[in-house]
Amino acid sequence: QVQLQESGPGLVKSSETLSLTCTVSGGSISSSYWSWIRQPPGKALEWIGFVYNSANTNYNPSLKSRVTISADSSKNQLSLNLSSVTTADTAVYYCARGAILQFYFFFMDVWGKGTTVAVSS
Amino acid sequence: DIQMTQSPSSLSASVGDNVTITCRASQISYNSLNWYQQKPGTAPKLLIYAASRLRSGVPSRFSGSASGADFTLTISSLQPEDFATYYCQQGYSSPYSFGQGTKLEIK
Repeated sequence: QVQLQESGPGLVKSSETLSLTCTVSGGSISSSYWSWIRQPPGKALEWIGFVYNSANTNYNPSLKSRVTISADSSKNQLSLNLSSVTTADTAVYYCARGAILQFYFFFMDVWGKGTTVAVSS
Repeated sequence: DIQMTQSPSSLSASVGDNVTITCRASQISYNSLNWYQQKPGTAPKLLIYAASRLRSGVPSRFSGSASGADFTLTISSLQPEDFATYYCQQGYSSPYSFGQGTKLEIK
């Protein structure tokens, strides 16, 4: 079955760029909608965005000016870059596989375990 | 953007109880509503999609329903493994927003 594994630095300095990778096994990254979601300590989930068809993206407007999500089909990986980070970006970051049924039904059915990123001031 | 308001924020119940969690969307989202379960230190798991469709492998004691912009997750006959935090998420339009979560605790 499809499995996802996030990786990347656990500590990033304020104003720098947070870069994470999600490695997909058991399925192709060329299909489905591959999302990043984050969860600050003790808070709710926030959808960051997704990449589909390896090159098309859709971002949360609240982060759009700072976010880049990309896919590398040769490595079966997706990446997240979040620039100009502040302590408010400290969170657990998850990647997830999504699907859209009949245009209006988007859900995420397979999630990675998550990776914790702390931003130091 | 569609805002999701989830209630209650916390809930205490006993094994064997039936519980209901509610999520209200700020605008109609045509039953495009998902429910996730999250246990401490782990990733969320999809339980229900499209308001009432049970994901394969999820116990039938979980059910979802919709009425306009109001959505309900019902857990019948609570089991010890059901104590967790539950999130709703609208899947109708980007950004795909989540509710604030409902923490279900053992009474």
